[in-house]
Amino acid sequence: GQQLNQSPQSMFIQEGEDVSMNCTSSSIFNTWLWYKQDPGEGPVLLIALYKAGELTSNGRLTAQFGITRKDSFLNISASIPSDVGIYFCAGLVGNQFYFGTGTSLTVIP
Amino acid sequence: DGGITQSPKYLFRKEGQNVTLSCEQNLNHDAMYWYRQDPGQGLRLIYYSQIVNDFQKGDIAEGYSVSREKKESFPLTVTSAQKNPTAFYLCASGDRSNTGELFFGEGSRLTVL
Repeated sequence: GQQLNQSPQSMFIQEGEDVSMNCTSSSIFNTWLWYKQDPGEGPVLLIALYKAGELTSNGRLTAQFGITRKDSFLNISASIPSDVGIYFCAGLVGNQFYFGTGTSLTVIP
Repeated sequence: DGGITQSPKYLFRKEGQNVTLSCEQNLNHDAMYWYRQDPGQGLRLIYYSQIVNDFQKGDIAEGYSVSREKKESFPLTVTSAQKNPTAFYLCASGDRSNTGELFFGEGSRLTVL
């Protein structure tokens, strides 16, 4: 099955900085999901997007469903140490989910 | 509380043994999934089930088996035929009739000794 192209692979940032990451695909998706995963734990759903162009926020997190329906972006504003973890995207088409390989975020206090 | 419960959290197995990972959900979701997660790779689909008594192979089904006798339960058996079973296994569920959101359990880490 296809995997989504997610970038960057890793980020090291200072506390308080903003973070941006994105996922792209050659295929069109009906739904985009963004997750955060801590080591040894299951992923936690952060934001779900359902329409092209949709911009949705969850606290300091903002995600957008790309106009072409082939990409999505996640922004984290004013990062804090507990934002550390792996963030990954998922796209849904039909009954199948496809996943990005993840962005590892390290926040330096 | 509603959610997905996986057990055990950690499991050690000798080569040649079958092991079964449990997944139970009380979210009333129709669809359930099993994924395998390896370092540096995206999630890979092992099996999924859209309805009770029916399931479909995913991309890496060889060496695995599942059953879906109840809506709430979707156990995964890792058989001795699976060549490289050491991995982190994630169970997920979703309500295919509405939002397309997918929720995950806490995961089970299997180590073959």
